[in-house]
Amino acid sequence: GDSVTQMEGPVTLSEEAFLTINCTYTATGYPSLFWYVQYPGEGLQLLLKATKADDKGSNKGFEATYRKETTSFHLEKGSVQVSDSAVYFCALTGANNLFFGTGTRLTVIP
Amino acid sequence: DAGITQSPRHKVTETGTPVTLRCHQTENHRYMYWYRQDPGHGLRLIHYSYGVKDTDKGEVSDGYSVSRSKTEDFLLTLESATSSQTSVYFCAISLSGERTDTQYFGPGTRLTVL
Repeated sequence: GDSVTQMEGPVTLSEEAFLTINCTYTATGYPSLFWYVQYPGEGLQLLLKATKADDKGSNKGFEATYRKETTSFHLEKGSVQVSDSAVYFCALTGANNLFFGTGTRLTVIP
Repeated sequence: DAGITQSPRHKVTETGTPVTLRCHQTENHRYMYWYRQDPGHGLRLIHYSYGVKDTDKGEVSDGYSVSRSKTEDFLLTLESATSSQTSVYFCAISLSGERTDTQYFGPGTRLTVL
């Protein structure tokens, strides 16, 4: 069945460091891929999405490229800020819902 | 802001009692979803709706029922709450339900079953 495997956390980085959070998936058909972010005490917000192979989603300095050949959708940011501290979820669309990874908690220290 | 509210935002209840959570949207989206969030599991789909009175089960539907009598409201009911249903519950909406469509999430309800 459809599933998402996400890099285990937590991840702690210093401000301005480079961020990569790995995400790989298993899916039938042609899913769309998403990254959501959850700040403390809040719901999930869409960070970026890609709907077909080789698409690059980007938002707020974050990027991820839909790689069909490696079934991956890794999240990257060149220079993280303290305000990026949150939990990040990779997800893919199944027939009727989203399948989520387990989430990666990122803490950025000044 | 996707115009989604959830109520209550926090609830503590006892085992065996019925509980109803409400999701309200102002966007007139056709599709609505209930998820639960648990450590080590991410979010998992409980039930979803694709229109008024049209609902279907998700991955973890046992012990839950839903109803949608109006486009804007989607109710999740725990007929007899158990401790294993302690979780954070999120409602989501989408316009078309298509694979390319984005789901937008509400702020969540934290439920504790003692």
